[in-house]
Amino acid sequence: DAGVTQSPTHLIKTRGQHVTLRCSPISGHKSVSWYQQVLGQGPQFIFQYYEKEERGRGNFPDRFSARQFPNYSSELNVNALLLGDSALYLCASSLDPSGANVLTFGAGSRLTVL
Amino acid sequence: DQQVKQNSPSLSVQEGRISILNCDYTNSMFDYFLWYKKYPAEGPTFLISISSIKDKNEDGRFTVFLNKSAKHLSLHIVPSQPGDSAVYFCAASTTGANNLFFGTGTRLTVIP
Repeated sequence: DAGVTQSPTHLIKTRGQHVTLRCSPISGHKSVSWYQQVLGQGPQFIFQYYEKEERGRGNFPDRFSARQFPNYSSELNVNALLLGDSALYLCASSLDPSGANVLTFGAGSRLTVL
Repeated sequence: DQQVKQNSPSLSVQEGRISILNCDYTNSMFDYFLWYKKYPAEGPTFLISISSIKDKNEDGRFTVFLNKSAKHLSLHIVPSQPGDSAVYFCAASTTGANNLFFGTGTRLTVIP
């Protein structure tokens, strides 16, 4: 069975550009969460989506947005990139949005902003 | 504001000995705690969890202890193996919440 898959694995952007990151959850998982992991820090919650609706949002500016599609895959979009957006972006899926559900993470998309 | 803290960025242990990783939290509303393990170029992998109604949970070589009064939990690995070398993240959540709060991680190195 395929795990959580993310694309692209690595990308380089310049300040002010836009980026779209993609995630496919484990088959049967309807909840997708996005986390940002800056070097030397733990993952920080950005968004959670369940059944195509936003169920939670972390302390991130409006430049960050996401959506979930009917097949439960998800996109994370970041506009007007800043140097500080350089990070590993992790997608995780779970059966439902309960906090007690174990999250299964993908390998991440490493974004470098120059 | 870091609600989950792992104050030891690294730990080295001899193979066969016990590894003890520590985690502290500040939010008394947290009632579910997890440990994740992360290898380079991979996403974090769930290891073990504990609910606040328990003070210990064991799974093979891995045991998590929870001290609610001290807002402290620890992960014990016995015996440690070289394949356990990874970054370990402590995470916490509250009932009904939909996100996890992670610590900054502890890099464990098990020396053969």
